[in-house]
Amino acid sequence: AAGVIQSPRHLIKEKRETATLKCYPIPRHDTVYWYQQGPGQDPQFLISFYEKMQSDKGSIPDRFSAQQFSDYHSELNMSSLELGDSALYFCASSPEGTGELFFGEGSRLTVL
Amino acid sequence: GQQLNQSPQSMFIQEGEDVSMNCTSSSIFNTWLWYKQDPGEGPVLLIALYKAGELTSNGRLTAQFGITRKDSFLNISASIPSDVGIYFCAGYYGNQFYFGTGTSLTVIP
Repeated sequence: AAGVIQSPRHLIKEKRETATLKCYPIPRHDTVYWYQQGPGQDPQFLISFYEKMQSDKGSIPDRFSAQQFSDYHSELNMSSLELGDSALYFCASSPEGTGELFFGEGSRLTVL
Repeated sequence: GQQLNQSPQSMFIQEGEDVSMNCTSSSIFNTWLWYKQDPGEGPVLLIALYKAGELTSNGRLTAQFGITRKDSFLNISASIPSDVGIYFCAGYYGNQFYFGTGTSLTVIP
């Protein structure tokens, strides 16, 4: 079965650079979520989209933005990167009304 | 955001032993989910529970949705080395998912 696809899997950036992460949700899943996970922590909610419209915002810094496109893929844009942005970033998708959430394999961002 | 209380934080067990972990919340949820996460990988959904009192099994895993809708537990029977990892609970309410702090499981062969 198709899973959530994320790219790139690994990314190394310098401070103050910009990074873009991509996510392809499971087909026919109408909601996409972005999470940030630091070492030893649970996933922290950043932002979500329902049918390509932003639906909720969590602890997403103003330096970050995201959008969902007409083909349902989503991108997380991170600018003015800081050392503290180093983390695993997960995209997850959910089929409507199920309360189920399926994660991608994540993108590991390292900021030097 | 809301965080669920998950315990224990870590467990060290012998291969073949049974394991139990639980999550509690001050709020009710419509769905309880249990995930396993390996290092550097995404959480994998193990079991989803949809109504209060529901008891669901998936192989050696059994989970229950508490009747108050504020708690859930996960049992793993006859543990094996590949059960090693971090287990997260999650509650779903209002289009949001709230996660527990995780239980780190180590299985000693």
